[in-house]
Amino acid sequence: DQQVKQNSPSLSVQEGRISILNCDYTNSMFDYFLWYKKYPAEGPTFLISISSIKDKNEDGRFTVFLNKSAKHLSLHIVPSQPGDSAVYFCAASARGSTLGRLYFGRGTQLTVWP
Amino acid sequence: DGGITQSPKYLFRKEGQNVTLSCEQNLNHDAMYWYRQDPGQGLRLIYYSQIVNDFQKGDIAEGYSVSREKKESFPLTVTSAQKNPTAFYLCASTSGSGRAYEQFFGPGTRLTVL
Repeated sequence: DQQVKQNSPSLSVQEGRISILNCDYTNSMFDYFLWYKKYPAEGPTFLISISSIKDKNEDGRFTVFLNKSAKHLSLHIVPSQPGDSAVYFCAASARGSTLGRLYFGRGTQLTVWP
Repeated sequence: DGGITQSPKYLFRKEGQNVTLSCEQNLNHDAMYWYRQDPGQGLRLIYYSQIVNDFQKGDIAEGYSVSREKKESFPLTVTSAQKNPTAFYLCASTSGSGRAYEQFFGPGTRLTVL
């Protein structure tokens, strides 16, 4: 059973606009969340993370929001650029879990068009 | 440069043959992981190892085997028992120190069974 869900397999956004990627989770023990970006035929690269003690974390054009009561997080990219076109994975880790084990969503393909 | 290497990039095998995928890291990380990516499936955990000479099954371990004889190396063998071996395989590692949940990924190996 998927403990981390990304219900939108794809998202298309015009360059310069905001991209919002969503992620839901079911395990209340999750206390650390990460977003990874992946290009075809390459390994994922870490983008941004957030601890459950926070509700927002920013890094340049990327901001992650966490709503613990709703078990929901989102990644905002502003402004979106064509180079942002990639698959974005949401991942979560549980308090006291196996060393560094992450649970991944199925990913959202973001396409940014000029 | 520190990082994770996977070889080969592309691998072809005949049905019924075992094949071993290489994963080496020079990050001095304790924990290493193997994932499988299929279209629309996200990253699914095959095996993981927290320390040398110890490893555990992930969510889809059937038809796979691993070894961890050295800290730097975590090879994955895809056996003939794996029913659908064609996929993109990713190796990852993490230091796991403190709350460092970030996993670093290799470039991946595309395995195709003919």
